[in-house]
Amino acid sequence: AQSVTQPDIHITVSEGASLELRCNYSYGATPYLFWYVQSPGQGLQLLLKYFSGDTLVQGIKGFEAEFKRSQSSFNLRKPSVHWSDAAEYFCAVASAWGNTPLVFGKGTRLSVIA
Amino acid sequence: GAVVSQHPSRVICKSGTSVKIECRSLDFQATTMFWYRQFPKQSLMLMATSNEGSKATYEQGVEKDKFLINHASLTLSTLTVTSAHPEDSSFYICSARDRGVDEQYFGPGTRLTVT
Repeated sequence: AQSVTQPDIHITVSEGASLELRCNYSYGATPYLFWYVQSPGQGLQLLLKYFSGDTLVQGIKGFEAEFKRSQSSFNLRKPSVHWSDAAEYFCAVASAWGNTPLVFGKGTRLSVIA
Repeated sequence: GAVVSQHPSRVICKSGTSVKIECRSLDFQATTMFWYRQFPKQSLMLMATSNEGSKATYEQGVEKDKFLINHASLTLSTLTVTSAHPEDSSFYICSARDRGVDEQYFGPGTRLTVT
C-alpha cells in the first residue's frame, strides 16, 4: 500500500524567502506524485504532478518539485514566497492515474510573515 | 480546464436527518468519481469509489449503509449521509475522472455541520 509522509506540520517563512516543503512516499513501483494547495475552507488546487521523464517538474504559481527515487522524495520548492502562498499543502501519491484514488499526506501548513 | 462542482457548498442539518451532496462533472464524462472526507486540520481520506452504473466500493471502516453513494449518470454522483450525527460533521470532497483525457479533477468541497 502506498503512503505519504509530510514531516513538517507547520512552516513559517518570510515573504520573499525561499521555501521547501518535504514529502516522502512509500510505494514499490514508480509512483504518480502530486502536490495540491488548499486555502482555508476551499477545495484542492493542483500545483504540479510527476508521472515520468524529467525529475524536475514545473508547476503553477512559480512552484517546482523534484522527484528523487533514491530518497523516495518529492519536495516542493519556490524561490520567493508571496503572502498569498499561505495555505495548506498536500503531497499525494497514486499507483496509476485517472482511475485510482490518491493517498494524501497529512499536509503542511504554510504561514508567510512580512 | 475541466470543472467539477459540488452542491451544496455548505449545509447544516439536525442530528438524525439525512443530507445529500451532489458531485457533478460539468464539461466531461466521469465514469469514476471518488469521495473523500477531511476532518478539521486533517488530511483527506478516501471514503469510497463510485463507478457509473454500478455499486460503489467503500474503504474499510466506512459504513456503506450510512454513506449512500449513487452514480446514476456519467456526470453526477451523490453522497447521502443518512441519520447524520455530529461526528459526521466534516468537509466532503469529490473528484472525478475525465476518461477522455485520463485526468482527475477535484470539486470545491461541501462543509457539513450536524447539530
